[in-house]
Amino acid sequence: DAKTTQPTSMDCAEGRAANLPCNHSTISGNEYVYWYRQIHSQGPQYIIHGLKNNETNEMASLIITEDRKSSTLILPHATLRDTAVYYCIVRVASTNAGKSTFGDGTTLTVKP
Amino acid sequence: NAGVTQTPKFRILKIGQSMTLQCAQDMNHNYMYWYRQDPGMGLKLIYYSVGAGITDKGEVPNGYNVSRSTTEDFPLRLELAAPSQTSVYFCASSRPLNTEAFFGQGTRLTVV
Repeated sequence: DAKTTQPTSMDCAEGRAANLPCNHSTISGNEYVYWYRQIHSQGPQYIIHGLKNNETNEMASLIITEDRKSSTLILPHATLRDTAVYYCIVRVASTNAGKSTFGDGTTLTVKP
Repeated sequence: NAGVTQTPKFRILKIGQSMTLQCAQDMNHNYMYWYRQDPGMGLKLIYYSVGAGITDKGEVPNGYNVSRSTTEDFPLRLELAAPSQTSVYFCASSRPLNTEAFFGQGTRLTVV
């Protein structure tokens, strides 16, 4: 699986958009980008994933650059409950979901 | 929906004692996984299983054993507890291939 690089921490004001970057410059053509988050030592929670097109669901949007070497997770209107560690994971589609490599992630703190 | 259920939530063990961490899922997922998470770190895969009767080692299997006799259950066994096994343990499950993993709420284990 490709290696990912994320900032250690970020702050965001409540109600504003939170933009979390991830660098995956060695990504291969058959590797997907996944995002999970972990709230206060609970089990990680799946957020979204994509291959090359931008994706949106009820939780977030995922923007993948055209060269696929980086991506951004967007939480459009961050709330205090979005304070969590966010993990960016890159893996081949044929790999078992649970064999994902979780790095240290980005600690997002949403402030009032 | 119960999802992935882990028991116990907390446990203190003395060095050399043994215990079994229980994990059960009710989503009929073939794939199940055990992770450990040390303070401030990402998750590391201990063992995984792709179906009843089939298990394989992950990144950090030493000191642990698993079995998978049913689709629903995937217990993790610690035979001789050591302080280095103090950690939070997460169980997860998934369907095959390109899907997300669902995590339990974790078991916080302290070995003293």
